[in-house]
Amino acid sequence: QKEVEQNSGPLSVPEGAIASLNCTYSDRVSQSFFWYRQYSGKSPELIMSIYSNGDKEDGRFTAQLNKASQYVSLLIRDSQPSDSATYLCAEISNFGNEKLTFGTGTRLTIIP
Amino acid sequence: DADVTQTPRNRITKTGKRIMLECSQTKGHDRMYWYRQDPGLGLRLIYYSFDVKDINKGEISDGYSVSRQAQAKFSLSLESAIPNQTALYFCATGTSGLTNGEQFFGPGTRLTVL
Repeated sequence: QKEVEQNSGPLSVPEGAIASLNCTYSDRVSQSFFWYRQYSGKSPELIMSIYSNGDKEDGRFTAQLNKASQYVSLLIRDSQPSDSATYLCAEISNFGNEKLTFGTGTRLTIIP
Repeated sequence: DADVTQTPRNRITKTGKRIMLECSQTKGHDRMYWYRQDPGLGLRLIYYSFDVKDINKGEISDGYSVSRQAQAKFSLSLESAIPNQTALYFCATGTSGLTNGEQFFGPGTRLTVL
């Protein structure tokens, strides 16, 4: 059974600081990783994808992947109150049946 | 107009009733998915379809059935609803290939079974 683990939070970060969200996974053949953001009462939306080891930056967001440690993270720089949401980590194995496995999410609150 | 739509958005029903949740998409994606979300349990896959003739069970398919009427339509049925099926249900679409984890979600259906 593949698992994706996230700290459920809540994680509170002051406005303007860096928010760091972490995720570990158990399946060594996992190939691709995704971060979805879900505002309260809304549907998840994709904000970052990462496929290879290292960092991937998109605006204020940076995804980091370390396959040897089975660890993926999301950094949010210059955190804004609008970043307050639940962040879902997800993985997919391209050698299997190509289904996304989601973590339970980390609730992030940015304090003005 | 929204790319992925779900109807109804909210539904209250009674134990034992049959209920259908519908999903339509204009994104032209081949793949469609049904998830349920419960507090503390995250998103769990119920059924998925990679094309019109392909239907697959997810991790929690018991008590549910689906129909892929067309590329753009994928419906979820609860044959005899029970209270522990009370949840938020999401339909999603996606593509194959490298971007197969990039899914697009509908607005959700909040279902309450009394």
